[in-house]
Amino acid sequence: DTAVSQTPKYLVTQMGNDKSIKCEQNLGHDTMYWYKQDSKKFLKIMFSYNNKELIINETVPNRFSPKSPDKAHLNLHINSLELGDSAVYFCASSLGGGADTQYFGPGTRLTVL
Amino acid sequence: DAKTTQPTSMDCAEGRAANLPCNHSTISGNEYVYWYRQIHSQGPQYIIHGLKNNETNEMASLIITEDRKSSTLILPHATLRDTAVYYCIVRVGSGTASKLTFGTGTRLQVTL
Repeated sequence: DTAVSQTPKYLVTQMGNDKSIKCEQNLGHDTMYWYKQDSKKFLKIMFSYNNKELIINETVPNRFSPKSPDKAHLNLHINSLELGDSAVYFCASSLGGGADTQYFGPGTRLTVL
Repeated sequence: DAKTTQPTSMDCAEGRAANLPCNHSTISGNEYVYWYRQIHSQGPQYIIHGLKNNETNEMASLIITEDRKSSTLILPHATLRDTAVYYCIVRVGSGTASKLTFGTGTRLQVTL
């Protein structure tokens, strides 16, 4: 059983489109995260949610909107995609806050043409 | 935020111990040191963490200097599957708002 899963694994789209990435965890964790890893391999946190409440919101363009329908899911919706949004997006979860061990999903490689 | 400094890359022969150093000279008294690794194209994987005592688990050992300004991750018997980028991270914040700030890491290449 996959602990943290993401769909889709690959996403290729045109500039200006709107797309969503879904994340699910079956670990019973309370906190979920979105990270972005760019072409230079820097891994940066974007958002975190605890019990469906937004906790961390880094300086991310408001074209990015996370949605947590329940504790086990954290989706990422991106409006008006730009070339610079091309990256690998990782979802993660932890029992409590960021101090707890974070379990990462396999990543979603987004390519904006 | 406490910053970490790691060598860009290291090599290790299979079966030997891999010792990965990390400097965190600006670390605060209540900040933990975490190690994660990322095997090519996969999500990062937790390895170990510590505050001031040395720690050991089934994957690795973490040695933290007495002044806490540096630490060393030890993989006792490196295998080819340990080839990865290893991140030394100082946790920022507390409670649900705490977060991990990843640096550039050390690319460990394990060779035959």
